[in-house]
Amino acid sequence: AQSVTQPDIHITVSEGASLELRCNYSYGATPYLFWYVQSPGQGLQLLLKYFSGDTLVQGIKGFEAEFKRSQSSFNLRKPSVHWSDAAEYFCAVVFTGGGNKLTFGTGTQLKVEL
Amino acid sequence: DVKVTQSSRYLVKRTGEKVFLECVQDMDHENMFWYRQDPGLGLRLIYFSYDVKMKEKGDIPEGYSVSREKKERFSLILESASTNQTSMYLCASRAGSPYPLLARINEQFFGPGTRLTVL
Repeated sequence: AQSVTQPDIHITVSEGASLELRCNYSYGATPYLFWYVQSPGQGLQLLLKYFSGDTLVQGIKGFEAEFKRSQSSFNLRKPSVHWSDAAEYFCAVVFTGGGNKLTFGTGTQLKVEL
Repeated sequence: DVKVTQSSRYLVKRTGEKVFLECVQDMDHENMFWYRQDPGLGLRLIYFSYDVKMKEKGDIPEGYSVSREKKERFSLILESASTNQTSMYLCASRAGSPYPLLARINEQFFGPGTRLTVL
């Protein structure tokens, strides 16, 4: 079955440290890949997406993600985390044979220590 | 500035009540979606609509129905609310495309959510 896995439920990093949030999917073909962020009390905001071409994609707020076909992964990174990055992060996938919908991972809650 | 609005941020209802959650978008988007968000489960799709009066079931449609009479408005209906429907409900919209595959890479814009408590 097609699925999206975010193995880390909670991550805590110090402000200024680097960040990597993991996302893996289970699917035979290349899907369309997204990262969303949800700040407390807010809806979801798109950080970046990948559907073809360069496997390293740049997003808003200084985030980037790398698609690795061999590992079925699309990990989100940021070189230096700011306290305002504390939020919940969702990886989401459109499986190209799966119709019209986004399938979300279970989310990673990021805490930033000052 | 693009906008998806939901009629209530917080709602408290009693078991058995009929509940309407309203969502309005001002971007002239063809596609609209209803999700519920629960801790540890992420977002799960309840229903979506790709045109006026058109709807399709998502992953968890049981206990819910939807209505889309106008392009900008997509309503989620709980015919008889139950305590296991206590959740955060998120609405989203997305632009369509003459090419269905390309529509899938368009961004979904989300509303702020409605936190529903069923007592």
